[in-house]
Amino acid sequence: SAVISQKPSRDICQRGTSLTIQCQVDSQVTMMFWYRQQPGQSLTLIATANQGSEATYESGFVIDKFPISRPNLTFSTLTVSNMSPEDSSIYLCSASGETNEKLFFGSGTQLSVL
Amino acid sequence: DQQVKQNSPSLSVQEGRISILNCDYTNSMFDYFLWYKKYPAEGPTFLISISSIKDKNEDGRFTVFLNKSAKHLSLHIVPSQPGDSAVYFCAALASGSARQLTFGSGTQLTVLP
Repeated sequence: SAVISQKPSRDICQRGTSLTIQCQVDSQVTMMFWYRQQPGQSLTLIATANQGSEATYESGFVIDKFPISRPNLTFSTLTVSNMSPEDSSIYLCSASGETNEKLFFGSGTQLSVL
Repeated sequence: DQQVKQNSPSLSVQEGRISILNCDYTNSMFDYFLWYKKYPAEGPTFLISISSIKDKNEDGRFTVFLNKSAKHLSLHIVPSQPGDSAVYFCAALASGSARQLTFGSGTQLTVLP
């Protein structure tokens, strides 16, 4: 198993600003992902964070809005840029081994944009 | 188009009774299914999984049943305990190289003492 630390746990931000969320895994993992959970909705995959290269974004998500870094096998960041109230959501970091058959999640970042 | 559906947003069950959470899927390429449990202010935690080559997997009080012909799976919790109160997400993996989890919208289970 992997223990994932995510911070901040929550934040309240002003429209137009940006927030960077950090994710630290206690062991080297093959895959790291960023999910979003909007109120009452399922977990939606934003992107796969690739170590040493650009992230792979899902349909509807773009790098300019959600830049992602993954400098090594245990750490990743997600930035929510130029925020609007529609970005208010829970953002979750997750990681898995090579088979990707079991994901471990961080505790999430509750973001509120005013 | 939701490929994984949990049609019941909430379920209340008396302590000691059985909880049955349901999940339907549409993608016939899904070959592995998982259930996650999520408490408030925490990330989802893995609960139990099942491969498409099986129709049942049991782990203590938790049993997952898979009906491939109906594209339906269910999670049974017996006996239910108040600590089981949480949101339960069904998730599925498709065969192939891009094995990314697709989640349902979750069911809030409340176990009443």
